[in-house]
Amino acid sequence: TQLLEQSPQFLSIQEGENLTVYCNSSSVFSSLQWYRQEPGEGPVLLVTVVTGGEVKKLKRLTFQFGDARKDSSLHITAAQPGDTGLYLCAGVGTSYDKVIFGPGTSLSVIP
Amino acid sequence: GAVVSQHPSWVICKSGTSVKIECRSLDFQATTMFWYRQFPKQSLMLMATSNEGSKATYEQGVEKDKFLINHASLTLSTLTVTSAHPEDSSFYICSARGGYGNEQYFGPGTRLTVT
Repeated sequence: TQLLEQSPQFLSIQEGENLTVYCNSSSVFSSLQWYRQEPGEGPVLLVTVVTGGEVKKLKRLTFQFGDARKDSSLHITAAQPGDTGLYLCAGVGTSYDKVIFGPGTSLSVIP
Repeated sequence: GAVVSQHPSWVICKSGTSVKIECRSLDFQATTMFWYRQFPKQSLMLMATSNEGSKATYEQGVEKDKFLINHASLTLSTLTVTSAHPEDSSFYICSARGGYGNEQYFGPGTRLTVT
């Protein structure tokens, strides 16, 4: 069974601060995805990382895929209240059959 | 981008009744659809995977006779919660995979409350 872990589970920071969320697994995935979910809504895909060592930037968000394709990180620079939400990493199985979600990181950015 | 809809967005039903939730891919054909369940302050848990025209594959611990999944067409999958109980109250989210790039797109979710 492929399992994903995320840390921290909860994070409360002041506006303007930087933060990093980590996603780890003992399994290799064909790709890792990061989603953001707001209460009462479905998750929205932020990025997909495919190649080991890959780094992708999306405005103030930087995503990295580990060299061994077992872990990933999400770094947010100068967090804003609009970044508040549940951040989920998800692993796409090597047979591309399904997407497994990590437990999520609940981020709260205080104005 | 591709759009996936769910209906209803929320539903309240009495214990013992059955509830059907629809998942539609609006602008692409979904070869595979997935059903997830999410309890408050928890992550999404995959319940089952369905391919058009074939039986769904259920994850370990999910009762296939209680959660009936039908994927009759390339744009529609339904999840029926049979003989619902209060512990079935949850947020049910579907996703559909298909279209250019074979990406997976998520629906907005359905809030089920069983009284």
